Parts: sequence; structure tokens; C-alpha cells
Amino acid sequence: AQRVTQPEKLLSVFKGAPVELKCNYSYSGSPELFWYVQYSRQRLQLLLRHISRESIKGFTADLNKGETSFHLKKPFAQEEDSAMYYCALSGRSGNTGKLIFGQGTTLQVKP
Amino acid sequence: ETGVTQSPTHLIKTRGQQVTLRCSSQSGHNTVSWYQQALGQGPQFIFQYYREEENGRGNFPPRFSGLQFPNYSSELNVNALELDDSALYLCASSFQGASKNIQYFGAGTRLSVL
Repeated sequence: AQRVTQPEKLLSVFKGAPVELKCNYSYSGSPELFWYVQYSRQRLQLLLRHISRESIKGFTADLNKGETSFHLKKPFAQEEDSAMYYCALSGRSGNTGKLIFGQGTTLQVKP
Repeated sequence: ETGVTQSPTHLIKTRGQQVTLRCSSQSGHNTVSWYQQALGQGPQFIFQYYREEENGRGNFPPRFSGLQFPNYSSELNVNALELDDSALYLCASSFQGASKNIQYFGAGTRLSVL
């Protein structure tokens, strides 16, 4: 079964602390993994995709195929990082490109 | 560049009624996907339209149907509304090509079924 699991509904950290948002997936084949973010009163937007191997707003995520994980990390959290974060996957085969989302993790960065 | 726009923003219907939600895709995009997001959950894939035809469907009953028009805009229709259909409905557009999996989302239509 294709599934994305984000085990934490809420992650609360202080400004300057490291952040790790966990994401595990189940997929038979080679998935493409994404992190989407939704800031307050804004639409869902792409933060990272694993094939780009970029750092966006200080966030990085590495695909670990052995552990089937795609955790999102940032060494020093900022208050403006407070948002809802969704991990999602898409199958590379076929041409649908549908996204399977996790339930989301709310990141709260306290001053 | 025009982003994905959805209308209406909010809608209230009663059980058994029918509803139509609309989506204009981002300029240059040819594919539209629809998602249902229940409160506290991640978005769930309903279906996708490409070249005016359904191109993949999630686990939703046939009373959820859609259309895509020659200008790539799209409609989501839901018949015989049920209370559990209350949710945020998201439209996402993308380009069926090398970066087909980058989907750009609209702000959503919040549907309440009473």
C-alpha cells in the first residue's frame, strides 16, 4: 500500500533550536518525495523535492531508501518557520503524478 | 504569471444537493488535479484531468465527477451530497512534462454540508 506517515501532529521548539520533522513512506517502486508547507492564511506551496537536493529557507531533506524516510531538518529554527508541513510522495512510473500526503505536522517556533 | 484560482471560496449546501466547484489553472499548465482535505487531515487525491480526460482517480465514489475545458480550467462536481463531504477542496495545476510532478495549489473551496 502507498502511504505517508508523519508521526507528530505538533512539534514545538524554541527559536534557534534544531528542527526535525519526521516522514516515513511505504511505496513499491521508486517514489518522488516532497515537502509542502502552508503558512497561516496562505495556500499550500512546495518547499522541497528530493531530486533537487536543494536547501530552501535553511531546510534540507535526504531520502533514505533503506529506512524509507524523508525527514525535514533545519539546524536553527526561526519564528517565521511556524507553519503546517506536509510530506508527500508521487510515483515515478505512470503519468498521473498524483500526490499522496501525510497528515501533516504543525511546527510551532516559540520566541 | 497567473496562479491557480478557485471559486467560490466558501459554499454551504444541504445533504442531497449537488455542487460544482471551479478551478483555473496556472498559465502554461495543462493538467489539473483535485484533492479533498478533511479537517486535521492531509489532502486526499480525488482525480486528475489531462487533455480534457480523466487521467487517474483516487478512492472516491462516482458521484464525484469532473471536467476539463480546452483552456485547461476544470470543474469538480459532487452529486447527492453527504455530511462527510464537508471539507476543503483543493485544485492543483501542473505541466505534464519533465517536471510533471510539481503541482501548484489554489487556495481552496471550503464546502460545508448541513
